Amino acid sequence: EAQVTQNPRYLITVTGKKLTVTCSQNMNHEYMSWYRQDPGLGLRQIYYSMNVEVTDKGDVPEGYKVSRKEKRNFPLILESPSPNQTSLYFCASSGWASSTDTQYFGPGTRLTVL
Amino acid sequence: KQEVTQIPAALSVPEGENLVLNCSFTDSAIYNLQWFRQDPGKGLTSLLLIQSSQREQTSGRLNASLDKSSGRSTLYIAASQPGDSATYLCAVKDAGGTSYGKLTFGQGTILTVHP
Repeated sequence: EAQVTQNPRYLITVTGKKLTVTCSQNMNHEYMSWYRQDPGLGLRQIYYSMNVEVTDKGDVPEGYKVSRKEKRNFPLILESPSPNQTSLYFCASSGWASSTDTQYFGPGTRLTVL
Repeated sequence: KQEVTQIPAALSVPEGENLVLNCSFTDSAIYNLQWFRQDPGKGLTSLLLIQSSQREQTSGRLNASLDKSSGRSTLYIAASQPGDSATYLCAVKDAGGTSYGKLTFGQGTILTVHP
């Protein structure tokens, strides 16, 4: 089954404690990205990757890091989380046909930073 | 910068009604437009994808249209059911410059279909 998986699904942490949210896809997609969803602000892109070792900033990259060492994995790293990073996070992936490729989304990670 | 707007923000209808959700975008340089469904606390499920060269797509009771020149799309839901209750999101995939491949989302329309 084609899918994007994220872990953990729920996380409560404290300010400054480094954390990683993992994302993995089994569709051999080149393009992967991270979004955050906040009430009243909708979904906003944090970072994206067009292929292995190729990453770039989205609209709201401050406070986040990513890496793409393997095609299937695209972890999101919060080096020093702060309360304003409390949000619902989604990982997504798609192929590179551009006009025809649907983006597939993971189930989401709900992060609370105290 | 691409901006996507969805109207209405919320909609409540009785079961069986046909309804229309609207989406508008500011930059016509897009590869495609997608409509997603999101249930509370859940991920996004793709409903329909319309390529920039297409005018509409249909899936079951859903029909989505695209008028790229005017920057508008509509999602038509026929014979609505309580199970259609969810948030519906419109997203465009940008074609230009440094935003290649990025999806820009609207704020969504919260749909409630009551029995």
